[in-house]
Amino acid sequence: GAVVSQHPSWVICKSGTSVKIECRSLDFQATTMFWYRQFPKQSLMLMATSNEGSKATYEQGVEKDKFLINHASLTLSTLTVTSAHPEDSSFYICSASRGGRKNTEAFFGQGTRLTVV
Amino acid sequence: QKEVEQDPGPLSVPEGAIVSLNCTYSNSAFQYFMWYRQYSRKGPELLMYTYSSGNKEDGRFTAQVDKSSKYISLFIRDSQPSDSATYLCAMGRGYGGATNKLIFGTGTLLAVQP
Repeated sequence: GAVVSQHPSWVICKSGTSVKIECRSLDFQATTMFWYRQFPKQSLMLMATSNEGSKATYEQGVEKDKFLINHASLTLSTLTVTSAHPEDSSFYICSASRGGRKNTEAFFGQGTRLTVV
Repeated sequence: QKEVEQDPGPLSVPEGAIVSLNCTYSNSAFQYFMWYRQYSRKGPELLMYTYSSGNKEDGRFTAQVDKSSKYISLFIRDSQPSDSATYLCAMGRGYGGATNKLIFGTGTLLAVQP
């Protein structure tokens, strides 16, 4: 299967600072990347969808000015959590899709555990 | 009502048992159905992927989709302790790209006892 690498695996930051999470597709070109957030014992909640070279589409209730998404190339998307607060502590997961009619599978990164103190 | 409903468990079975995991959904536009396995503190791993109704088998795993009942299942035969994980169902409406937005169930925590 396709490989998606997410970095860092975990990060601890102080309240008020910003954190950047990278998502890379290592062996395929990802037309679309998705960012999810998962709170303990809950399912993955989609935050935003990004297409290479375009602005991200955010889900209802997700602050686009707080969660900045950049998808500048077909192999890299970044999520920046700006002015992080303790309530932003969560497990953030990206997934990547090749796109096209026959490519509907989404491959997930290993996730980033963010703790804001 | 949630678009996708899944019993969170936990489900505990003895080694070698047949495991049945299920999800129901309300949106008839869903055409793509996936099962993911997620170990603790890891990202989800795709197990099975089915388009429309029918069965699909891969080794010890069988996925079933019944679109008329809006019900999907994952069966695990000869379950092993290494199968212990959270199993997430997910569904999508369209083809790749921006339409490939997946809606996830809450996940079922499975424990296979040796």
